[in-house]
Amino acid sequence: GDSVTQMEGPVTLSEEACLTINCTYTATGYPSLFWYVQYPGEGLQLLLKATKADDKGSNKGFEATYRKETTSFHLEKGSVQVSDSAVYFCALRDNAGGTSYGKLTFGQGTILTVHP
Amino acid sequence: NAGVTQTPKFQVLKTGQSMTLQCAQDMNHEYMSWYRQDPGMGLRLIHYSVGAGITDQGEVPNGYNVSRSTTEDFPLRLLSAAPSQTSVYFCASSYSRVDTQYFGPGTRLTVL
Repeated sequence: GDSVTQMEGPVTLSEEACLTINCTYTATGYPSLFWYVQYPGEGLQLLLKATKADDKGSNKGFEATYRKETTSFHLEKGSVQVSDSAVYFCALRDNAGGTSYGKLTFGQGTILTVHP
Repeated sequence: NAGVTQTPKFQVLKTGQSMTLQCAQDMNHEYMSWYRQDPGMGLRLIHYSVGAGITDQGEVPNGYNVSRSTTEDFPLRLLSAAPSQTSVYFCASSYSRVDTQYFGPGTRLTVL
């Protein structure tokens, strides 16, 4: 079945440092890929998405590129801020049809803490 | 628009008690779903619905019931709570199963 693997956390960075959170996936067909962010005490919000190979999703200074050859969707940001402290989830959506069609599969989440 | 709302925010139950977690959305979304979030495991799908009157099981449905009598509401029922159901529960909705899902703020449930 589908699966998503994220790098182990937690990740602790100083403000203005570079961020990379690794995400790899296993899926049949051509899934859509997502990064969700969960700020303390809140629900999940969509951060960015990519629906086909080589697409780049971007939002709020974060970027991720859909790499089908390496089955990866790594999240990057060039300069993090304290306000970026949150839990980040990589997810895929099955587009292959059948009983799993449309279902989201999440990675385990990566806690990011940014210090001033 | 209130978006996706969930009540209660926090709940403590004793083993064997039953309760209903409420979820409502005001975006006229057809697709609604329930997830549970456990440390180190991400979110796992419990049940989902593609429209009023239609529900189906997700990855971890045991111990939970759902119904969808209206487009707006999608309650999750715990029939006989167990400590293994201690978790944070999120409801989500979208126009269809392939559109962006919007999440509620969550309900933190503790079963003693």
